[in-house]
Order: sequence, then C-alpha cells, then structure tokens
Amino acid sequence: AQTVTQSQPEMSVQEAETVTLSCTYDTSESDYYLFWYKQPPSRQMILVIRQEAYKQQNATENRFSVNFQKAAKSFSLKISDSQLGDAAMYFCAYRRTNNNAGNMLTFGGGTRLMVKP
Amino acid sequence: DAGVIQSPRHEVTEMGQEVTLRCKPISGHDYLFWYRQTMMRGLELLIYFNNNVPIDDSGMPEDRFSAKMPNASFSTLKIQPSEPRDSAVYFCASSLHRFTEAFFGQGTRLTVV
Repeated sequence: AQTVTQSQPEMSVQEAETVTLSCTYDTSESDYYLFWYKQPPSRQMILVIRQEAYKQQNATENRFSVNFQKAAKSFSLKISDSQLGDAAMYFCAYRRTNNNAGNMLTFGGGTRLMVKP
Repeated sequence: DAGVIQSPRHEVTEMGQEVTLRCKPISGHDYLFWYRQTMMRGLELLIYFNNNVPIDDSGMPEDRFSAKMPNASFSTLKIQPSEPRDSAVYFCASSLHRFTEAFFGQGTRLTVV
C-alpha cells in the first residue's frame, strides 16, 4: 500500500518570506501523480499544484513550486513571498494511475502553516 | 459547473439515529470518493466509485456504514446506527478520470451526541 508522510506537523513563516513544506511517499509504481492541497479554516480542500511522475520538470504555479525528487520519493512544496492568506493546513497526496484498483488519492497527515505579519 | 455539492453542511444527531449524507459530483466526472477527516486519523478514504461501481470499500469502518451511487450524479453515505465516534467531517470528491486531481465538496460536519 502507498503511504504519504509529512514530517512537519507545524511550520511558521514571516510574511513575504519563503517556506518549504516536506513530503515523502512510498510506492513501487513508476507512473503516478502527486498533489498539494490547501485547507483553510473554511475547511474547503483546494488544489494548489500537481506533478506528473513522468515529468522531470518541477511544476510551478505562481508563488508555489515543487521540488520533485523521484528517486528519493520526495515532493516538497515551496511557497515564495508568503502572504497571510497562505495560512492553512497543507496536505500532500499521491495517486497511482494504472488501470487496476487503487486509483484513490492517499493523503499525508498534513502540515499546519502559520504566517506571521 | 457548481463544483461538488454536499448536503447537509452540518448535521447533529443523537446516538442510534440513522444519518444520510449526500453528494452530487461534478458533471462528467467518473470517479467519486468519500473521505472522513478527524483530528486523530487525518483524511481517510472510506470508499470510492468508478462509473457508479464501488471499487474499494476497504476503508468503511464497519457494517454500520454503507454507500451507494445509483446514478452518475448522486451518491449517499449512510450510517445506521450512528455513534459518537462517527463525529467527523465527511468529504465527497470527484475526478474526471484516474489521471487527474480530485475536486472536493465543502464537507459535512457530523456531530453525534
């Protein structure tokens, strides 16, 4: 079974600074997708960024970027120029893509990010 | 599209009562997931459907939980009888196919007293 681990239960960052959230996963698959979701206090789960395992280039979405290290099974999220609205729980998620059973999203335990003004 | 729609947003019920949570996925999506979120256990997959067919229900805690998807636009998660330990936020999510991200509803906060 796939597992996703987020080793930082809480992180804090000063407004306008950069922060990196860590995620590691365990899989025997070669083809899969990785995601970061944000959950603000409203509890809505919002997709932040996605990465296809077959792509070597790291995904970027505005101030959000990932460092995808396939061999190390590591998928960290970097938030640049942090804003107060970035304060939330962040979840790393894995999804296998083969055509057999097991195409669900598996989530890590989450990292609570606090942004200090 | 209005996104994934869940109802109710909040539910408070007494122990032993039947609870039914409802979900309308995004039109055209062929995967539907039910997740439960608690402080202790985080986000747990309960069951997921592909083209209305249950694929994996190994996350359903026990026989008190059941889920159905009678058509492509509607799913229910039923708990009968409910217990205080079932108190959690229940999320429904859908995805277009197995290569894409899942879009989540706003969740149902269930409190069993």
